[in-house]
Amino acid sequence: DAKTTQPNSMESNEEEPVHLPCNHSTISGTDYIHWYRQLPSQGPEYVIHGLTSNVNNRMASLAIAEDRKSSTLILHRATLRDAAVYYCILRALKGGSEKLVFGKGTKLTVNP
Amino acid sequence: GAGVSQSPSNKVTEKGKDVELRCDPISGHTALYWYRQSLGQGLEFLIYFQGNSAPDKSGLPSDRFSAERTGGSVSTLTIQRTQQEDSAVYLCASSPTHGQMNTEAFFGQGTRLTVV
Repeated sequence: DAKTTQPNSMESNEEEPVHLPCNHSTISGTDYIHWYRQLPSQGPEYVIHGLTSNVNNRMASLAIAEDRKSSTLILHRATLRDAAVYYCILRALKGGSEKLVFGKGTKLTVNP
Repeated sequence: GAGVSQSPSNKVTEKGKDVELRCDPISGHTALYWYRQSLGQGLEFLIYFQGNSAPDKSGLPSDRFSAERTGGSVSTLTIQRTQQEDSAVYLCASSPTHGQMNTEAFFGQGTRLTVV
């Protein structure tokens, strides 16, 4: 399974931007980069995904390096509700399975 | 349905008993996944269904664990002869179709299993 590497934890202040990095140096050409987050006591929820180009949606932006070996999830203005564990995942169809492989993620703390 | 539904939300069982956990995926979603999450840990993949078949069972930890899916919809995860180490939150997810990696997976709220 293709691996991703993320910092264990990050801290931010409310209403400031947050940049969450992810390294995926073994990414293959057909792997999509997905981000999920898990709020306390809840199941994970989808945040954003991309393949090669940068992506924006109502929740966040995803910046993908030109060589695709790293990406950054950008929360433009952090709120207290954004405190969660953020997972960077490479999604691919391999051997008939499309399981999502979760690493340890980055625990984001947002200070008021 | 509006989202992925799991039942029960909480289950306390005695060591050695069998338990069944249920997952109702979003209507029309052909892909279904089971994960478990022990306290303070990440998500551990258990099994993946495409329709009623399970092409990837690689994450089932022992032969006490089994899962089935009927009618391409509801799935049941069964744990036989439960052990204390089975205590965890069991999460189910579904996604629209097979082979499209640009679609998202939707997770349920999980079943918290406690084996005493």
